[in-house]
Amino acid sequence: KAGVTQTPRYLIKTRGQQVTLSCSPISGHRSVSWYQQTPGQGLQFLFEYFSETQRNKGNFPGRFSGRQFSNSRSEMNVSTLELGDSALYLCASSLAQRGAGEQYFGPGTRLTVT
Amino acid sequence: GENVEQHPSTLSVQEGDSAVIKCTYSDSASNYFPWYKQELGKGPQLIIDIRSNVGEKKDQRIAVTLNKTAKHFSLHITETQPEDSAVYFCAARGGADGLTFGKGTHLIIQP
Repeated sequence: KAGVTQTPRYLIKTRGQQVTLSCSPISGHRSVSWYQQTPGQGLQFLFEYFSETQRNKGNFPGRFSGRQFSNSRSEMNVSTLELGDSALYLCASSLAQRGAGEQYFGPGTRLTVT
Repeated sequence: GENVEQHPSTLSVQEGDSAVIKCTYSDSASNYFPWYKQELGKGPQLIIDIRSNVGEKKDQRIAVTLNKTAKHFSLHITETQPEDSAVYFCAARGGADGLTFGKGTHLIIQP
């Protein structure tokens, strides 16, 4: 069974621009969660989507948003990029919502903001 | 919200020896505790997990213990091998939130 895939793997953007990252979960998985990983803050939860609905959200500004499609694929968007948004963005998929199943991570998208 | 502390930040052991990484959590409602291994350039890989109704779980050379009263859980790796070198993260989850991660332990296996 194929794992979680994320595209693109690397991205360079300029301050003020916006960016969209994509995640395809493991086949059959309906929950997709997004995390930001930085050297200073570590791994931080952004939000979770299940059945096309955002189920919970971490402590990030409204510039960070996401959505999920009917095939469970998910996208996250960051608007008005700041230098501090440079990070590895990880997507994790799970069979069920919230605490009911294990989360499996993709390889991440490395975003660099200049 | 949940807070997870992880120690040590760096651990160096001789090949063949055991390694132990410890985590504490703050939210007594947390009921799921996974451990992830992350190698350079890759996403975290789930290696073992434990739920709050279990005190210990083992999978070959890897074991995890959970003490709910003290709110701490530990990862034990026996007979360490060079391929065990990586960054290890503990995490906790309870209620409606996503996983809360520790800051990570860089495990170095010395030949």
